[in-house]
Amino acid sequence: EVQLVESGGGLVQPGGSLRLSCAASGFTFSTYWMTWVRQAPGKGLEWVASIKPDGSDTHYVDSVRGRFTISRDNAKKSLYLQMNNLRGEDTAVYYCARGQRGCDYWGQGNQVTVSS
Amino acid sequence: DVVMTQSPLSLPVTLGQPASISCRSSQSLVHSDGNTYLNWFQQRPGQSPRRLIYKVSNRDSGVPDRFSGSGSGTDFTLKISRVEAEDVGVYYCMQGTHWPPLTFGGGTKVEIK
Repeated sequence: EVQLVESGGGLVQPGGSLRLSCAASGFTFSTYWMTWVRQAPGKGLEWVASIKPDGSDTHYVDSVRGRFTISRDNAKKSLYLQMNNLRGEDTAVYYCARGQRGCDYWGQGNQVTVSS
Repeated sequence: DVVMTQSPLSLPVTLGQPASISCRSSQSLVHSDGNTYLNWFQQRPGQSPRRLIYKVSNRDSGVPDRFSGSGSGTDFTLKISRVEAEDVGVYYCMQGTHWPPLTFGGGTKVEIK
């Protein structure tokens, strides 16, 4: 059974940093693109970033480029999102998802709140 | 960037009746490989999104056959043949053809009358 379990969210002040993790199981992690998607309170879904299976290629939405870094450790079957210089508008539930064109499996989500 | 426009925003439906959601893209979603990467997701209240349909009309494993997807080019539709109580939630289309970025529609809230 495919499982994606996120961790690492919480409350952080504007300008602060957080690192989200997503632990994968039930599939060959090293062969899939992986993606982060977020959902602001009461809003729709927004793509954040995606990373190639071997980690050699990454893509970001314009609003986070230069502040967020997506990475992965295939040996640990884990996906990460390092978030720096956080802003109020980054407040959202962050989901990791398998794939990019299809996003067929999603984690349970992790709340990130940016507030003073 | 490809803009995905869903309608309606809200869809009150009587139990057992059909429902239909429209999704239009600002450009054709036919990829150079011949596939059309148009997906539909269901998000029940308090839950993560769940993919229902991929590449326009392919149902994911475990998805009831009352859900169906159709369309081509820039015009797509998700249909529920007979709405059940468990179908309440928000439905999103998402295109994966012209990425980055992946883009989602604004969502359609399905509720029971």
